[in-house]
Amino acid sequence: NAGVTQTPKFQVLKTGQSMTLQCAQDMNHEYMSWYRQDPGMGLRLIHYSVGAGITDQGEVPNGYNVSRSTTEDFPLRLLSAAPSQTSVYFCASKGLAGRVTGELFFGEGSRLTVL
Amino acid sequence: GESVGLHLPTLSVQEGDNSIINCAYSNSASDYFIWYKQESGKGPQFIIDIRSNMDKRQGQRVTVLLNKTVKHLSLQIAATQPGDSAVYFCAELQTSNTGNQFYFGTGTSLTVIP
Repeated sequence: NAGVTQTPKFQVLKTGQSMTLQCAQDMNHEYMSWYRQDPGMGLRLIHYSVGAGITDQGEVPNGYNVSRSTTEDFPLRLLSAAPSQTSVYFCASKGLAGRVTGELFFGEGSRLTVL
Repeated sequence: GESVGLHLPTLSVQEGDNSIINCAYSNSASDYFIWYKQESGKGPQFIIDIRSNMDKRQGQRVTVLLNKTVKHLSLQIAATQPGDSAVYFCAELQTSNTGNQFYFGTGTSLTVIP
């Protein structure tokens, strides 16, 4: 299994540009989520989904859109990038069936710089 | 909002010693408390979790202690090794019918001195 795969690993954007960060998982996980990680602030939840067709906002959703058309994929869209969105983005997934655990499976991260 | 904080941003220990990383949390309604390890340039990796109705859980070389009275969580690493050098995050998990909400602390950087 590849686990959680994020692309691209690095991206530089100019203010106002749009882009999509891709996330795919091959573990048949119902739950998928996006976090951003900034120095000294830990991981903050942007959006999450508990299944295809279902998405919800996390702590810091402004400026980001998501969709979940399949179980495997959960893309994160920046419609008009701003310098404040410079960060490292992590996608994470988790199975919801069976025993509840705190185990999230993370991708390797996507480092985004907005100039 | 949620507040999950760590007592110390950095910790240095000698190889072979035991490490203790501490965390304070604010929400008594959380169902699970979790520790993650993040190595440089990588995504966080699950270490161990503890359900809110427990006070201790042991894994391989790690022990998590939960003190609900003072809302304190700790991770103990026995016989710390150079490979344990990383940033450690505590997190809370709140489960509901609409999904899982994780809240992460800011991290403690552990350096193991050979």
